[in-house]
Amino acid sequence: GAGVSQSPRYKVAKRGQDVALRCDPISGHVSLFWYQQALGQGPEFLTYFQNEAQLDKSGLPSDRFFAERPEGSVSTLKIQRTQQEDSAVYLCASSLARYLPPYEQYFGPGTRLTVT
Amino acid sequence: AQSVSQHNHHVILSEAASLELGCNYSYGGTVNLFWYVQYPGQHLQLLLKYFSGDPLVKGIKGFEAEFIKSKFSFNLRKPSVQWSDTAEYFCAVKWSGYALNFGKGTSLLVTP
Repeated sequence: GAGVSQSPRYKVAKRGQDVALRCDPISGHVSLFWYQQALGQGPEFLTYFQNEAQLDKSGLPSDRFFAERPEGSVSTLKIQRTQQEDSAVYLCASSLARYLPPYEQYFGPGTRLTVT
Repeated sequence: AQSVSQHNHHVILSEAASLELGCNYSYGGTVNLFWYVQYPGQHLQLLLKYFSGDPLVKGIKGFEAEFIKSKFSFNLRKPSVQWSDTAEYFCAVKWSGYALNFGKGTSLLVTP
């Protein structure tokens, strides 16, 4: 497929469980972003990778959130000891390069996480 | 803090009506501006973008937006909406950092 894919599409976790969300960016895209979208809100930035380097993690809400992209392609967002406030849609986006226009980010379908 | 405001949270229009959705952002130097659309059950898609040059930009499906620097605004317009334009619309701003900063979105319902 040509687009960004994410799995699983839906995840229900009991409070306290750990979850791992996967993102497959568009092939060849250098930049990868994670966003969190709460119900009725716009997406909010979590973290950014350029290839395998995590250049910005300022948006991660707590140390329970961890992201990695070890080989510069697939990325995983891990949430430890999930809490109810973690319930949201987690969006992944990729773009060809940060330093060249048009900086267009292509979004995946998201993973809807529900913590019960 | 840098912020993006969308004034209309819910808009209901009849087909063929004109559309204007407001977007304002806080001051922060050079900006890149975007409108994204999310159709029901689909992922976010880019509608149009502004980087430099002509402040009136045209996007897909007949949408356009005007960048007014003095007003820190980037309003989205369409002269005549269709039922298929029913969707959630998000304004996004990129300042000097990496991320897109989104507004809260506007839900548009177009009635036949």
